Amino acid sequence: DTAVSQTPKYLVTQMGNDKSIKCEQNLGHDTMYWYKQDSKKFLKIMFSYNNKELIINETVPNRFSPKSPDKAHLNLHINSLELGDSAVYFCASSHRDRRAYEQYFGPGTRLTVT
Amino acid sequence: GQQLNQSPQSMFIQEGEDVSMNCTSSSIFNTWLWYKQDPGEGPVLLIALYKAGELTSNGRLTAQFGITRKDSFLNISASIPSDVGIYFCAGQRFLRLTQGGSEKLVFGKGTKLTVNP
Repeated sequence: DTAVSQTPKYLVTQMGNDKSIKCEQNLGHDTMYWYKQDSKKFLKIMFSYNNKELIINETVPNRFSPKSPDKAHLNLHINSLELGDSAVYFCASSHRDRRAYEQYFGPGTRLTVT
Repeated sequence: GQQLNQSPQSMFIQEGEDVSMNCTSSSIFNTWLWYKQDPGEGPVLLIALYKAGELTSNGRLTAQFGITRKDSFLNISASIPSDVGIYFCAGQRFLRLTQGGSEKLVFGKGTKLTVNP
């Protein structure tokens, strides 16, 4: 009964490659997020989608493209991977109401670019 | 941009001791949240605070929303080994966008807690 799931858990790839990370939530939430956690454990929001509409787009290189086929899924595609993209990427979800800030996180995808 | 100053950066305590950590900001936040992250896992929500001055408990954890709305505190009483992990504070400010509000969270840099048995 996983609430927010991500695949893959680990992703090792070479510079220049294109890769995708998938996220699914079964909580009935209508807002989903992508966060990046760097080596110092700092969590920073990248994107937020509400009902398949992009509502937050932080200063993220356009090599990163989120895709939301429906409100239960938010995938992250990364083109032309760079060494600095190595990090743990977390998907999260929440309701879009007064408690929307109560975000529930997935287990993370550790991306290593070599 | 908005920043949260979380302290201490790390703590080493003995089992049974009480723990306090805090988060401050130069900006006002509408909501404060506290998360815990275990190694290899995603952050898990511990406590959410919605009103200035609010004091909320979750088992041995107690958190407070500062009356200035610029700070929050988390206390853990009688620590046990499974309390180890990284604790994050997060603040929320409601953003008005053309397609409706957005709920952007800003995270502190975390407090790494180590509990010695």
